Amino acid sequence: DTEVTQTPKHLVMGMTNKKSLKCEQHMGHRAMYWYKQKAKKPPELMFVYSYEKLSINESVPSRFSPECPNSSLLNLHLHALQPEDSALYLCASSPGGTDRETQYFGPGTRLLVL
Amino acid sequence: RKEVEQDPGPFNVPEGATVAFNCTYSNSASQSFFWYRQDCRKEPKLLMSVYSSGNEDGRFTAQLNRASQYISLLIRDSKLSDSATYLCVVNRYNFNKFYFGSGTKLNVKP
Repeated sequence: DTEVTQTPKHLVMGMTNKKSLKCEQHMGHRAMYWYKQKAKKPPELMFVYSYEKLSINESVPSRFSPECPNSSLLNLHLHALQPEDSALYLCASSPGGTDRETQYFGPGTRLLVL
Repeated sequence: RKEVEQDPGPFNVPEGATVAFNCTYSNSASQSFFWYRQDCRKEPKLLMSVYSSGNEDGRFTAQLNRASQYISLLIRDSKLSDSATYLCVVNRYNFNKFYFGSGTKLNVKP
């Protein structure tokens, strides 16, 4: 089973709201990722967690706050977002620390900021 | 220079045609190579991993040329359902960062 799940599928929020995106995998993977994808562009890396520790932050604004409560779960907390943050947010996971890392993506959360 | 470069296309081909995409990567330390397929408004889905000189899966063949630092994807007997964006992705050994090409759009026409 190579399934990564994400909730919610769609989210509409105002610029003053606080919301969270959730991601879960049960493949025993130890690396988890958040990506942002705009239309007709490739996914853009935001954060990487490796063994539940934040290992990469691609200079993402602080209005995005990641959290990895355990090895299966990854959250992305959103606060005071801007309309330009509207995008598809993808979670992915990979085994972590192997010489043949393969990444699997969840279905994404489509976010609209009004 | 970008880590991974692809021709964005679109490639417009008739059903049954053979089409090939190329992708070049800049870092010789790159170790793992992948082709993902992404349908409109969906997530990328792994199509093929390429670890040695190449591999084949049905109508799809991926090849790796380390000396020239490029990966190719060949699709034979194209189907309408092959219409999608194909993403070339590269990873370095033991480094949890994947580098994406801009994607190549394929339109297969009846």
